[in-house]
Amino acid sequence: DTGVSQNPRHKITKRGQNVTFRCDPISEHNRLYWYRQTLGQGPEFLTYFQNEAQLEKSRLLSDRFSAERPKGSFSTLEIQRTEQGDSAMYLCASSSWTQLTDTQYFGPGTRLTVL
Amino acid sequence: AQTVTQSQPEMSVQEAETVTLSCTYDTSENNYYLFWYKQPPSRQMILVIRQEAYKQQNATENRFSVNFQKAAKSFSLKISDSQLGDTAMYFCAFMKHGGATNKLIFGTGTLLAVQP
Repeated sequence: DTGVSQNPRHKITKRGQNVTFRCDPISEHNRLYWYRQTLGQGPEFLTYFQNEAQLEKSRLLSDRFSAERPKGSFSTLEIQRTEQGDSAMYLCASSSWTQLTDTQYFGPGTRLTVL
Repeated sequence: AQTVTQSQPEMSVQEAETVTLSCTYDTSENNYYLFWYKQPPSRQMILVIRQEAYKQQNATENRFSVNFQKAAKSFSLKISDSQLGDTAMYFCAFMKHGGATNKLIFGTGTLLAVQP
C-alpha cells in the first residue's frame, strides 16, 4: 500500500493556460475525492467519483474545471483558462466503501500558482 | 447545510503538556461521523481520530482522545504528553452518514505549535 499519490507536486502557470493534475488512489479504493485548499482555510469539496462515475460536483467547480476517472483507477483534474483565483492546493483523497466509516486518505496535494 | 467551526486559529503548548483543541458543528442530521485530521508543515493530511455519532463512548488513539458532546454539537481533541512532532495544522471535519457522497466538511483549522 503506497498511499495516495499526486502529480505534479507543484505547478506554476500563466493566467489563461490550461493545467492538468493527476491522482493515483490507494489500490482497490473505489471512491475518489478532489478538494481545494486555499491559504488559511480548510479543504473544500470539489467532486466525487465512485468507480468511474462522477456522482457529485460542487458549485465551486465552474465549467472551466473538468475531472475524469477512466476505468475507475487514476483521476485527472483539468483547469482550463486558469485565473489567479485558481491558485490553491488541490488535494485528492480515496476511500473504500467497504469500510464502515469510509475514512478518506489524502495525497500530498498539487500546489497551483497562477501568475 | 452542515458547518464546522474551529474558534482557535493558533495554539501553543509546551512539550509533554496537554492541550485541547475545540470544534463545534451544526447539523440537523442524526447519523454522522466526526474526524480530526493533522496536516504537518508541507506534508500531507493524515487522520488522527474518528468518532461515530451513534457511539456515546469517546474515541481514543494512544495520546489522542476526543470529548464528543452530541447535544452540544461539540467535538474537542485532547493531546496528552505533547511531542514536537505534533506541531501541525489540525482540522476538524464532519461527514454525513448514508448520503450519496461521503464528502468531508472541514473547519478552518487550528495551528498547534509544540514548544521544546
